[in-house]
Parts: sequence; C-alpha cells; structure tokens
Amino acid sequence: EAGVAQSPRYKIIEKRQSVAFWCNPISGHATLYWYQQILGQGPKLLIQFQNNGVVDDSQLPKDRFSAERLKGVDSTLKIQPAKLEDSAVYLCASSLVAQGWNTEAFFGQGTRLTVV
Amino acid sequence: GEDVEQSLFLSVREGDSSVINCTYTDSSSTYLYWYKQEPGAGLQLLTYIFSNMDMKQDQRLTVLLNKKDKHLSLRIADTQTGDSAIYFCAVIQTGANNLFFGTGTRLTVIP
Repeated sequence: EAGVAQSPRYKIIEKRQSVAFWCNPISGHATLYWYQQILGQGPKLLIQFQNNGVVDDSQLPKDRFSAERLKGVDSTLKIQPAKLEDSAVYLCASSLVAQGWNTEAFFGQGTRLTVV
Repeated sequence: GEDVEQSLFLSVREGDSSVINCTYTDSSSTYLYWYKQEPGAGLQLLTYIFSNMDMKQDQRLTVLLNKKDKHLSLRIADTQTGDSAIYFCAVIQTGANNLFFGTGTRLTVIP
C-alpha cells in the first residue's frame, strides 16, 4: 500500500513570498489532515477535511494560510505571504474515517519550510 | 484546549528498559496514542489505549494509563539502538476529531 505522499520535501523562501505544499493521501482515505510542527514541539492541527469538505479549520491562520482538497483526493496548503514564524515541518496525514478508536492516521514525511 | 506534557530527553543503555511519561489535562480524553518519529520521517503509530483500560501490552511495548492522575506512560523493554527517536504522546477528546500532541521525548539509546 502506497503511503501518504508530500512534496516538496524542503523549501526555502524569503519572508513575504508565497509557497504551496501538496499532499496525496492513501487511496480511499476520506479524511485528510494538515499539521504544523515547529522545531521542538509536537504537531498542531491546521485543518481537517472529510472528503472535500472542511471539518475543522479553527487553528488555521486564515489571513495567510489557505487549503483546499479538490475532488476529495489531493490537497494543497498555501501560505501567502510567509512570515519567519511559519518555519516548520508541514505534515499531511490521512485516515479512512475521522480519528477515533482503532482508526489509524498515516503521516507523510512532511515538507520542511524555512523562511528567511 | 488540551495540554499534553512530556519530558524532552531520555537516555538509556542498550538492553535496559525505557519509560517515557506523559501528562494531559482534559479528563474527557478518550483515546490515547504513542507515536514514533525518526529523523526525516513522518509519525508512525506505535500503540494506543482506550480510556477504559489501564494497561496494554504489545510485544516490547507496555502502555500504562492512570486516569485519576491523567498520566500515560510507554515502557519499552530491552531497548535497542533502533528505538532511538522522538516519541509523541497524543490524545483525542470525546467528540473531537483530531489529535492533541505532546512536545515529544527524544530517546537516545547508548550502545
């Protein structure tokens, strides 16, 4: 079974520039998550999709971050404009259904963003 | 919101047992997980426990849950160098859809 694919693996941009990350979840997984992991911290949920609808985006800084999941499969996360504090690893995860008992979320390798 | 706390570092000698601790604040947390993160890799689910259990054993891994103290621990028996990684505790609250992660504990296994 192919895992969660993310690209790019690394990205370095200057502050105020824009950047986009892409995620391809495991085939058939209805739920997709984007997490932000700042160095030395645990991942924090940015947004959760169920198919192509948003379930939870309460922690997404909507003035600069946006995400979409067209056709309920692939997803993109965009930051525009980027700030220094956005430097982090952005993790995508997917699961068959929303997380709960015996429902494992599978994580991609992440995209490491450095804003200079 | 939920606060999930872990100590940052743990060093053990190869062959010894490792115990990684986690505390959380929300007593309604229903599912509790341990994830492993190796350098440059995503998170890998190791094991999980439901809040009506107080212990779960899975090969070298033992999870202990003290609901009264809101304390979760992961014991790794016969720790190997391949166990060196960052270990995250994560919890889901009743009615919520996402994981709250701890800060992670970096386990270093000394040969």
